[in-house]
Amino acid sequence: AQSVTQPDIHITVSEGASLELRCNYSYGATPYLFWYVQSPGQGLQLLLKYFSGDTLVQGIKGFEAEFKRSQSSFNLRKPSVHWSDAAEYFCAVGQVKTSYDKVIFGPGTSLSVIP
Amino acid sequence: GAGVSQSPSNKVTEKGKDVELRCDPISGHTALYWYRQSLGQGLEFLIYFQGNSAPDKSGLPSDRFSAERTGGSVSTLTIQRTQQEDSAVYLCASSLGATSGNTGELFFGEGSRLTVL
Repeated sequence: AQSVTQPDIHITVSEGASLELRCNYSYGATPYLFWYVQSPGQGLQLLLKYFSGDTLVQGIKGFEAEFKRSQSSFNLRKPSVHWSDAAEYFCAVGQVKTSYDKVIFGPGTSLSVIP
Repeated sequence: GAGVSQSPSNKVTEKGKDVELRCDPISGHTALYWYRQSLGQGLEFLIYFQGNSAPDKSGLPSDRFSAERTGGSVSTLTIQRTQQEDSAVYLCASSLGATSGNTGELFFGEGSRLTVL
């Protein structure tokens, strides 16, 4: 069964500092991987996704993530954090079979940004 | 509509009552998901639909929970004899489903916040 872990429950960074949020997954085949963001009072929004090709993917708002098969990881990075990045971040893994697909989410990492 | 629509946005009910939560997915999206998000928790998978069929009901917490989808569109999540531990935000999402080229991206509604007193 697929599963996702996000080791950091909460992270605090200073505005302008770099950021890395960790994600590890368990899945028997090549996964589809996603990062979603949930800002306070708002719905979930897709930041970026990986399903094939280049293992370094670029997303919205200056975020990027790198798929490392050997480490079963898909860590999210941003070189310079803005105060508006404070939110909950969810890593997710999907599977696509012949008849259906299913997406499982990790527990989330809460990001606080110090001005 | 342009996005996933959920109703009601807020529901307060008494323990033991039944509730129905509605989800209207994006037009043309064949896949529909229900998740539950409790305070400070991640997204707990409940059930998935491809068309009107539910290939995966593994996440439903108990037999008090059921869901249906009709016409390949609107879905209803029903919770019978609600308990206080059912209090949470129930999120619905839709996607293109098992179609060629689909990468599984989910589009979420704003959620239905359920409070059981």
